[in-house]
Amino acid sequence: ETGVTQTPRHLVMGMTNKKSLKCEQHLGHNAMYWYKQSAKKPLELMFVYSLEERVENNSVPSRFSPECPNSSHLFLHLHTLQPEDSALYLCASSQDYGGGEETQYFGPGTRLLVL
Amino acid sequence: GEDVEQSLFLSVREGDSSVINCTYTDSSSTYLYWYKQEPGAGLQLLTYIFSNMDMKQDQRLTVLLNKKDKHLSLRIADTQTGDSAIYFCAFQTSYDKVIFGPGTSLSVIP
Repeated sequence: ETGVTQTPRHLVMGMTNKKSLKCEQHLGHNAMYWYKQSAKKPLELMFVYSLEERVENNSVPSRFSPECPNSSHLFLHLHTLQPEDSALYLCASSQDYGGGEETQYFGPGTRLLVL
Repeated sequence: GEDVEQSLFLSVREGDSSVINCTYTDSSSTYLYWYKQEPGAGLQLLTYIFSNMDMKQDQRLTVLLNKKDKHLSLRIADTQTGDSAIYFCAFQTSYDKVIFGPGTSLSVIP
């Protein structure tokens, strides 16, 4: 049990659907992250939130829209996705972002399949 | 840009030691990490080392850091079938990003 939970664990959606991924951390951390893990590719950082403010947006297409309503919750809203967006989406949290120890703790991931 | 390399596959017999290697390019890394990913699961932090350390031991795990060669290794003693997983090295850059390697898939043969 890592203290970071993600729902749903698996998701199948069509290209015209709208869905959301949810991440919740119970560690009292101030920073949260979204990563994409595709087959045979290194882990890709998508977004970083620190104290509910977005601090990183690594050239992610606008069909991915993050939301951080408070420091414990992070969402990734999905709309009009493409089949190549099929991947494992990992959420992580760390105590702080910038200037200190930022060991990240990961959730179990959401396995997304876009048809 | 930053780059991290790992061998993609490693196969060992149960009871032997496993050594997973990683090379990186950013010489200003502060923290270097090893993560484990079991099938169908997310990443689990195994251990980490500060850049001013050469070695860290934690039960069956030994991390060695050679800053001159920018080489990081993870040694698993007495490897068990439950150690079969993908192992990612990662490092924190001077810009406070964490860069991950491609992962090494460890297969343990009973």
